[in-house]
Amino acid sequence: AQKVTQAQTEISVVEKEDVTLDCVYETRDTTYYLFWYKQPPSGELVFLIRRNSFDEQNEISGRYSWNFQKSTSSFNFTITASQVVDSAVYFCALSEAASNSGYALNFGKGTSLLVTP
Amino acid sequence: DSGVTQTPKHLITATGQRVTLRCSPRSGDLSVYWYQQSLDQGLQFLIQYYNGEERAKGNILERFSAQQFPDLHSELNLSSLELGDSALYFCASSPSGGAYNSPLHFGNGTRLTVT
Repeated sequence: AQKVTQAQTEISVVEKEDVTLDCVYETRDTTYYLFWYKQPPSGELVFLIRRNSFDEQNEISGRYSWNFQKSTSSFNFTITASQVVDSAVYFCALSEAASNSGYALNFGKGTSLLVTP
Repeated sequence: DSGVTQTPKHLITATGQRVTLRCSPRSGDLSVYWYQQSLDQGLQFLIQYYNGEERAKGNILERFSAQQFPDLHSELNLSSLELGDSALYFCASSPSGGAYNSPLHFGNGTRLTVT
C-alpha cells in the first residue's frame, strides 16, 4: 500500500503564481519523519526539508513554506511567487521508526510542476 | 553538489549481462542507500548498508546484490539484466543508520539502459 500519496500528478502555473503541492501520508508510528525533495530536469534529487512528527510548526524558507498537520496526516508544500526555475518534480517522503526497511525513505510518486513565463 | 559520487553516469548494456554501479558517500557518512527510479514504479528503496553491514532491505530483486567496503564506498551489482531493469539508480548517504536525525543526500544517479 502506498504510504505517501501525492494526488497531483502534474501542475502547471504561470510565473509569480502561488502553488501548493499536496502530500498525505499513512503511518501507525508515533515517531516518524517527513521530507520534501526536488528533482529538476537535470535529474539529481535535492533535499529541501525534514520534519519530525513531534514538531508541527510550519516552516518558511524564502519563497518556500511547509504546512504540517498531523490531524489530517498532511505535509503540504507551498511555493510563493513561483519562478521558471521552480519547474521540477517534487517528492514527498516518509521515514518511519518502526519500519522493517529501517529508516529508509518511502517516496510518493511525485508532482511535476511546470512554471511558464 | 551533494558530495555523493556515483559512477558511471550512463550505462548501456544488453539483456542477460551483468553490471556494477559504484557509489562514494559523503565524507563522514556511514550509511549508503540504493534506490531505483523508473517511470512505472517511481522511487523504490532497494537496500541500505551501514558501516559495512546490511541494515535494511527493500524491493531488491534476487538478481541484484550490493556491498559496502571498508572505505565505505558501495557497489550495486545487477545481473541477468532484463529490459525492465532500465532505470535511474540513485545512491544516497547519511551520517547515521537512518534518516531519523539527518536527511539522505543523493548522488546524481546512474542511468542504466538495457537493450
